[in-house]
Amino acid sequence: DVQMTQSLSYLAASPGESVSISCKASKSISNYLAWYQQKPGEAYKLLIYSGSTLQSGTPSRFSGSGSGTDFTLTIRSLEPEDFGLYYCQQYYEKPLTFGSGTKLEIK
Amino acid sequence: EVQLQESGPGLVKPSQSLSLTCSVTGYSITSNYWGWIRKFPGNKMEWMGYISYSGSTSYNPSLKSRISITRDTSKNQFFLQLNSVTTEDTATYYCARRMVADYWGQGVMVTVSS
Repeated sequence: DVQMTQSLSYLAASPGESVSISCKASKSISNYLAWYQQKPGEAYKLLIYSGSTLQSGTPSRFSGSGSGTDFTLTIRSLEPEDFGLYYCQQYYEKPLTFGSGTKLEIK
Repeated sequence: EVQLQESGPGLVKPSQSLSLTCSVTGYSITSNYWGWIRKFPGNKMEWMGYISYSGSTSYNPSLKSRISITRDTSKNQFFLQLNSVTTEDTATYYCARRMVADYWGQGVMVTVSS
């Protein structure tokens, strides 16, 4: 299975700051990577797919980059509503696998 | 709007079967792919498997001998059955559309305990 590693399990930042969340695959997955946001009481939200393509409805302050094994989700100018859990997921091969999640807390 | 809603018992005894239903509105399950994903305590996520628009299935090999995903197209529902559960199957279970999951249910928490 492709192992997905999110090295940061927790991150705290203030509104207006920019943050980056990294995700590393154990083998090359090209750009078959998605990012999700989970907030308490809400359904998971697909933010980005194909490594860098914003899902419809995702604010433009979110961006994704990377290919191969190293990927980054960047949130520019944090808004208070951006708190939550962020997961990466590879869909290059089955079984699909997820990173361990990064909890973003707004200071 | 596409909506998914999981339902099923919140408590299952060890060695028994876990059965969940995902009811879909706003979109036909005879199109696209429909999957089950679970989140364990501590936030680890696991893709369990999917059923396709044609009814074909694909399962995570870690579950292959215990899992079955089926559907009822007349009710626009699909189902998860997980056999011989243990306490390690305690998790929140989600149904979702597509492998890059663009629509999710709210999740149902299932505890395996005697």
